[in-house]
Amino acid sequence: AAGVIQSPRHLIKEKRETATLKCYPIPRHDTVYWYQQGPGQDPQFLISFYEKMQSDKGSIPDRFSAQQFSDYHSELNMSSLELGDSALYFCASSTRNNEQFFGPGTRLTVL
Amino acid sequence: RKEVEQDPGPFNVPEGATVAFNCTYSNSASQSFFWYRQDCRKEPKLLMSVYSSGNEDGRFTAQLNRASQYISLLIRDSKLSDSATYLCVAHLINYGGATNKLIFGTGTLLAVQP
Repeated sequence: AAGVIQSPRHLIKEKRETATLKCYPIPRHDTVYWYQQGPGQDPQFLISFYEKMQSDKGSIPDRFSAQQFSDYHSELNMSSLELGDSALYFCASSTRNNEQFFGPGTRLTVL
Repeated sequence: RKEVEQDPGPFNVPEGATVAFNCTYSNSASQSFFWYRQDCRKEPKLLMSVYSSGNEDGRFTAQLNRASQYISLLIRDSKLSDSATYLCVAHLINYGGATNKLIFGTGTLLAVQP
């Protein structure tokens, strides 16, 4: 069965650079979620989209923005990167209000 | 205080043992609950949903007590392949659409020994 696809899988950036993470949800899933997991931490909710509209917002810094496109894929844009942004970034997808399935994650390292 | 709390472990058990994980949640608005399993550096994978009536899937049994705001996971006949971090998760959702997110516990590490 098709799963959530994330790209890139690994990303290395310098401080103050920008990064764009991409997520392709499971076919026919209309809701996309972004989570950040720091080393030794549990995943923290950042933001979600339903039918291309922002649905909910968590602890997402103002330096980050995201959107969902007409084909339901989503992008997380991160600017002015800081060392503390180094983490695993997971995208998950679901049909409305149902179980969320996670992608393999993007490991971001900020040097 | 975290919204979802778990004993972080580690739980070191021999193969074949029965092990139980407990979890409490503080937000009574939580609509549904799940157990996810996470292997090191991998994505969380849905293990099972948790219902008030209790549900069983093979060697795994989950139970929800809304009155006590308590969730449990029982693993019988532990296998080496069960070694992972088990995440207790609450789904906060407002059917008007303003809220829809998962709140994770810190996870309980299980190590099954040969």
